[in-house]
Amino acid sequence: GDSVTQMEGPVTLSEEAFLTINCTYTATGYPSLFWYVQYPGEGLQLLLKATKADDKGSNKGFEATYRKETTSFHLEKGSVQVSDSAVYFCALSDHAYNTDKLIFGTGTRLQVFP
Amino acid sequence: GAGVSQSPSNKVTEKGKDVELRCDPISGHTALYWYRQRLGQGLEFLIYFQGNSAPDKSGLPSDRFSAERTGESVSTLTIQRTQQEDSAVYLCASSLVGQGSYEQYFGPGTRLTVT
Repeated sequence: GDSVTQMEGPVTLSEEAFLTINCTYTATGYPSLFWYVQYPGEGLQLLLKATKADDKGSNKGFEATYRKETTSFHLEKGSVQVSDSAVYFCALSDHAYNTDKLIFGTGTRLQVFP
Repeated sequence: GAGVSQSPSNKVTEKGKDVELRCDPISGHTALYWYRQRLGQGLEFLIYFQGNSAPDKSGLPSDRFSAERTGESVSTLTIQRTQQEDSAVYLCASSLVGQGSYEQYFGPGTRLTVT
């Protein structure tokens, strides 16, 4: 079945460091890919998305490119801030099914220190 | 505008009791989802409602779990004869239509603890 695998955390970085959180997926169809973020004490919210191969999603300085050949959707940011400390979830929605349920990875906790 | 709301925010119950969790989606959103997040794990899909179509119940872990939705409004998730392994955060999400490219908006969740 469909699945999402993302790197385990926590990822600990100093402010202004470069961030990469790896995410790979397995899907039967042509999924849409998402990164969701959960800030401390807040609900889950969409960070960025890409709906087809080679699309790049971007938001708040974060980017991820849909790579069909490597089945990956790695999250990157050039210079992290303390306020980026949160748990990041990679997810897919496989349109081979009638529902648009999201299949999530286990989440990666990012801790950024000043 | 108002987002997705869930109640209660926390629920502690004894093993064997039934619990009911409520979700109020964003007005006008036709699709509604329930997910479960166990400690240290990702979210697991439970059930999906879209308009008047038959719900997708493929993610419900056992027949102790059931859910209803009235039209395009409130949904309730019921867990009967709760077990300790049911302890988790239960999240509800809604979206404009059941199309994968539409964002799902999540509620704050209900933290269920079964003692």
